[in-house]
Amino acid sequence: SQTIHQWPATLVQPVGSPLSLECTVEGTSNPNLYWYRQAAGRGLQLLFYSVGIGQISSEVPQNLSASRPQDRQFILSSKKLLLSDSGFYLCAWGGGVKTQYFGPGTRLLVL
Amino acid sequence: GESVGLHLPTLSVQEGDNSIINCAYSNSASDYFIWYKQESGKGPQFIIDIRSNMDKRQGQRVTVLLNKTVKHLSLQIAATQPGDSAVYFCAENKDSNYQLIWGAGTKLIIKP
Repeated sequence: SQTIHQWPATLVQPVGSPLSLECTVEGTSNPNLYWYRQAAGRGLQLLFYSVGIGQISSEVPQNLSASRPQDRQFILSSKKLLLSDSGFYLCAWGGGVKTQYFGPGTRLLVL
Repeated sequence: GESVGLHLPTLSVQEGDNSIINCAYSNSASDYFIWYKQESGKGPQFIIDIRSNMDKRQGQRVTVLLNKTVKHLSLQIAATQPGDSAVYFCAENKDSNYQLIWGAGTKLIIKP
């Protein structure tokens, strides 16, 4: 069966510091991968998606970037965090069907 | 999406009653719809899906209804339990696009 992992679960970072969040998927090959952000009590905002290694599409201009160095690895990064980058970051994968399956999320607090 | 900035509407239901959560979708060309459940502090969890060639699909204690005429989707939960407390999101997909269009979400509160 497929599983998706995200780490860390929570992160507190100072403004201006770098960020690296990692997501890995097991049990599937060539998945579509997604990064979402969710503010408290709000809906899901798609940040990036990837249909293959090295292929990244960005949905909103922002202070973040994404990379896919391996088939089942998706990384969300920032060189300098802003206060507005705080939120709940969710990674998801999708296979041949259109359903997306989510990881446990990373709660990021930028102070 | 447009739902990102909206506060969540809330539905309060007595334990044991049936819950009906509604969603209006945006694109008449969408051909696939999904309901997700998100518990506090966790990622959304797939509940049930339906394709546009169907108007009803049943799972365990859940039923999804699709009305394409008015672009309306609903999730019915039978005999609501405390564990059903969560935020419920609908999502739609069109053609071969691998992105989902997300609804605003509804917070379901179970009254004892």
